[in-house]
Amino acid sequence: KAGVTQTPRYLIKTRGQQVTLSCSPISGHRSVSWYQQTPGQGLQFLFEYFSETQRNKGNFPGRFSGRQFSNSRSEMNVSTLELGDSALYLCASSFNSDEQYFGPGTRLTVT
Amino acid sequence: EDQVTQSPEALRLQEGESSSLNCSYTVSGLRGLFWYRQDPGKGPEFLFTLYSAGEEKEKERLKATLTKKESFLHITAPKPEDSATYLCAVSSSYIPTFGRGTSLIVHP
Repeated sequence: KAGVTQTPRYLIKTRGQQVTLSCSPISGHRSVSWYQQTPGQGLQFLFEYFSETQRNKGNFPGRFSGRQFSNSRSEMNVSTLELGDSALYLCASSFNSDEQYFGPGTRLTVT
Repeated sequence: EDQVTQSPEALRLQEGESSSLNCSYTVSGLRGLFWYRQDPGKGPEFLFTLYSAGEEKEKERLKATLTKKESFLHITAPKPEDSATYLCAVSSSYIPTFGRGTSLIVHP
């Protein structure tokens, strides 16, 4: 069974720009969660989508948003990028929201 | 607010030297406690889910146990390929809270 895929793998953006990251979950998984991982804060939950609806949201500003499509693929958008948004963004898919299977991540660098 | 504390932050072992990693947690109603392994530059890899105190799960050289306040990940006779960061997470709703991880290095 194919794993979780994320595109792009690496991204360099300038402050003030916006970015869209994509995630394709494992076939059959309807839950997709997004995380931000930084050396300073560790792994932090951004939001979860289930059957195209945002089910849970972490403590991040409104500049971070996402959506899920009918085929369970998900996108995450960050607007008005700040230097502090530089991080590894991880997507995880799950069948039951318990056992999460992570993708390889997108490394975002904001300059 | 759920909290997870992992110790030690870093651990160096010789090949074959067994040890344990600790995950202490406070949560309002535990739905599950999860262990993951993360290699540099990669996403975390799911290892175990534990749901109730007294539960144990094993996979190769790894064994996870759970009490009402903490979980242990026991590593028996580790090999260099066990070197990684081990992450613990708890969930009281559908929002998981992760610990900062234990970085394990196993020397040959």
